[in-house]
Amino acid sequence: DVKVTQSSRYLVKRTGEKVFLECVQDMDHENMFWYRQDPGLGLRLIYFSYDVKMKEKGDIPEGYSVSREKKERFSLILESASTNQTSMYLCASSSYRGASGNTIYFGEGSWLTVV
Amino acid sequence: DAKTTQPTSMDCAEGRAANLPCNHSTISGNEYVYWYRQIHSQGPQYIIHGLKNNETNEMASLIITEDRKSSTLILPHATLRDTAVYYCIVRVANFNKFYFGSGTKLNVKP
Repeated sequence: DVKVTQSSRYLVKRTGEKVFLECVQDMDHENMFWYRQDPGLGLRLIYFSYDVKMKEKGDIPEGYSVSREKKERFSLILESASTNQTSMYLCASSSYRGASGNTIYFGEGSWLTVV
Repeated sequence: DAKTTQPTSMDCAEGRAANLPCNHSTISGNEYVYWYRQIHSQGPQYIIHGLKNNETNEMASLIITEDRKSSTLILPHATLRDTAVYYCIVRVANFNKFYFGSGTKLNVKP
């Protein structure tokens, strides 16, 4: 089975702190993603990466950065956490499978509360 | 990506088949239909996907109409653990972004 593992399930951080959310996948997938999910807003794409050291902005990248130094690991960084970044963060990975389609697999989610 | 329309919520009796509909009338020829579900407080779980033909796996069956404008996800014998929000998504195969709509909240009742 595909495994996408997020390092922390629940975090509480103070405003202004630097926050690291780590994600590891074990399926040698090229693509990795960070989403956040908020009630009434659904899943929103923050950043994605299609290769090591490559990254592209999603729909809501402001206040976030990412790092992909190794193929299996994709980190989301909140440079200076703010209360409006309180949310559930979801990491995902996928691999292009040609004619059979491109399936995305998600981690369990990280619940971040900024106080 | 094509827009999808799903009912907000549905009820199903435990042990019965759950049939979840999805309309995607603007789907393009190269767009796949994907189904995911999300159990409360967990990440979305992949269920099944298809292009034209009906598909079946150990979790569910996917029925796509001949004109591809709608589809139905079938859980053959729903259990209480199938209570979740079910998302229908259509997207091209090699496009990286995935957009989730509001989904259908399936309530499986004893």
